Amino acid sequence: GAVVSQHPSRVICKSGTSVKIECRSLDFQATTMFWYRQFPKQSLMLMATSNEGSKATYEQGVEKDKFLINHASLTLSTLTVTSAHPEDSSFYICSAPDAGTSARNEQFFGPGTRLTVL
Amino acid sequence: SQKIEQNSEALNIQEGKTATLTCNYTNYSPAYLQWYRQDPGRGPVFLLLIRENEKEKRKERLKVTFDTTLKQSLFHITASQPADSATYLCALDITGRRALTFGSGTRLQVQP
Repeated sequence: GAVVSQHPSRVICKSGTSVKIECRSLDFQATTMFWYRQFPKQSLMLMATSNEGSKATYEQGVEKDKFLINHASLTLSTLTVTSAHPEDSSFYICSAPDAGTSARNEQFFGPGTRLTVL
Repeated sequence: SQKIEQNSEALNIQEGKTATLTCNYTNYSPAYLQWYRQDPGRGPVFLLLIRENEKEKRKERLKVTFDTTLKQSLFHITASQPADSATYLCALDITGRRALTFGSGTRLQVQP
């Protein structure tokens, strides 16, 4: 099946620094990728849609200037948390639909990135 | 507003029994509904998708039903095993952009 990777798997940073998280589709091309955030004991919440070659679409309440998304190629989307603060500590997960499975509509999720801001 | 509820936060069952998880939604008529499994500290893994014109779908020990009148999906794991212990999430594509809106999840614990 299609594989999505994320890097890093875990990051700890100081308040005020920026952190970049990479999401890669390893064996398929993804013109669209999705970024989710999951706080402890809660479900996944969609943050934004990453579109290859165009601007990302952000969900209501998500600050686009704080969560910068770049989708420069068909296999890579990056999420940069700028000037991170402790309240940004969360589990960030990306996903991508495989164009080859578009008729099935299933999503392939990365393993997630645990961000801890001190 | 759209709402997806999984009415059991946690479910404990004995090995060999059938686990039944419920997903209810409001204010929406989805073309399909999906179920995912999530283990602690990991991303969700796709299990099953059921379309609005399908009443039931099976995959090995898994069975999903979809009642669009009741706005409810049931997810069954038969002959449950301790390895089935995980959080199970139902999800809908509410926006039509293939982005998913997830239910709150049910944490299943299968006791040996």
